[in-house]
Amino acid sequence: DTAVSQTPKYLVTQMGNDKSIKCEQNLGHDTMYWYKQDSKKFLKIMFSYNNKELIINETVPNRFSPKSPDKAHLNLHINSLELGDSAVYFCASSLGLAGVEQFFGPGTRLTVL
Amino acid sequence: DAKTTQPPSMDCAEGRAANLPCNHSTISGNEYVYWYRQIHSQGPQYIIHGLKNNETNEMASLIITEDRKSSTLILPHATLRDTAVYYCIVRVAHAGGTSYGKLTFGQGTILTVHP
Repeated sequence: DTAVSQTPKYLVTQMGNDKSIKCEQNLGHDTMYWYKQDSKKFLKIMFSYNNKELIINETVPNRFSPKSPDKAHLNLHINSLELGDSAVYFCASSLGLAGVEQFFGPGTRLTVL
Repeated sequence: DAKTTQPPSMDCAEGRAANLPCNHSTISGNEYVYWYRQIHSQGPQYIIHGLKNNETNEMASLIITEDRKSSTLILPHATLRDTAVYYCIVRVAHAGGTSYGKLTFGQGTILTVHP
């Protein structure tokens, strides 16, 4: 059973397009996150949601819009993709905002051409 | 959250103990020390965490100095599958504030376990 799953695993697209990445967790957690890992391997948080409410927004461009239809899902929609958006995006979840352990998904590698 | 400093890379022979150091000299009294690792092409994985006492679980041991300014993650019998980037993170674990729940990853230590 996959605890945190992301689709797609790979995404290749042209500049200016709009794309979405989906994340689902079956752990019963109430908090979900999006992290971005760039080409230099730095891993940075983008957003976190607790019970479908936005908690953390780390000065991410407003082209990025997370959406949480329910506690088990946190999707990431990106408008007008730019070359600099190329990265690996990881979804994670935890039980509560102070959850000791964050469970990460396998990542989505986004390549913008 | 406090900044951490780790060596960029370390080597370890298979079957030997791997001791990964971390400095967090500006850690606050209410900040925990967390360790995560990231095996190539996978998402990060939680290993262990502690506040001031030494901790042990099935994966590793965490030794925190008495002044809490540094810690060491110990993998007692490293295997080839332990080759990964190891991240030491300090994090406040209480309600409120913009850092609540956020893990701030540094560059980590690339641990290579060789036969």
